[in-house]
Amino acid sequence: GDSVTQMEGPVTLSEEAFLTINCTYTATGYPSLFWYVQYPGEGLQLLLKATKADDKGSNKGFEATYRKETTSFHLEKGSVQVSDSAVYFCALIDTGTASKLTFGTGTRLQVTL
Amino acid sequence: EPEVTQTPSHQVTQMGQEVILRCVPISNHLYFYWYRQILGQKVEFLVSFYNNEISEKSEIFDDQFSVERPDGSNFTLKIRSTKLEDSAMYFCASSDRRVSEQYFGPGTRLTVT
Repeated sequence: GDSVTQMEGPVTLSEEAFLTINCTYTATGYPSLFWYVQYPGEGLQLLLKATKADDKGSNKGFEATYRKETTSFHLEKGSVQVSDSAVYFCALIDTGTASKLTFGTGTRLQVTL
Repeated sequence: EPEVTQTPSHQVTQMGQEVILRCVPISNHLYFYWYRQILGQKVEFLVSFYNNEISEKSEIFDDQFSVERPDGSNFTLKIRSTKLEDSAMYFCASSDRRVSEQYFGPGTRLTVT
């Protein structure tokens, strides 16, 4: 079946540091890939997406590139802020089989001054 | 900006009681979903709904669960006889196409005592 694997958290960074959160996936079909963010006490917000190989999704300074050869969709940001502290979820929709989102376990990011 | 809304934000119920969680999806969306997140665990798919019928459901979505779109705006999840292990955050989501980004509500925290 489909699955998403994310790096274990928490990730603790100083403000303005570079962020990478690793995400790899397995899918039986050709998936669309997503990053969602959950701020404390809130629901899930779509951060960015990519629907085909080599696509780069970007939003709010975050980027992720759909790498089919390595089945990865790593999230990056060049300079994090305290306000980026949240839980980040990598997810996929396996377009050939279903419309449900399959999520990774989430990675908590804590940014300090 | 259109958003998904959910009520109540927090529901406390006794084991064996029935609960109904309510959602108002984005108005022009056609696909509706329920997910749940047990504290500290990953977000899990429960059910998807399109054209007034269930299009997919997970193993979690057994006979105690049901969904309904009682009118043109609401989408509900009913749990007939709640168990302690049903305690979780329940998220409603909607999308305008079968394979596209899904927009989530803020969630209903269900506590079964």
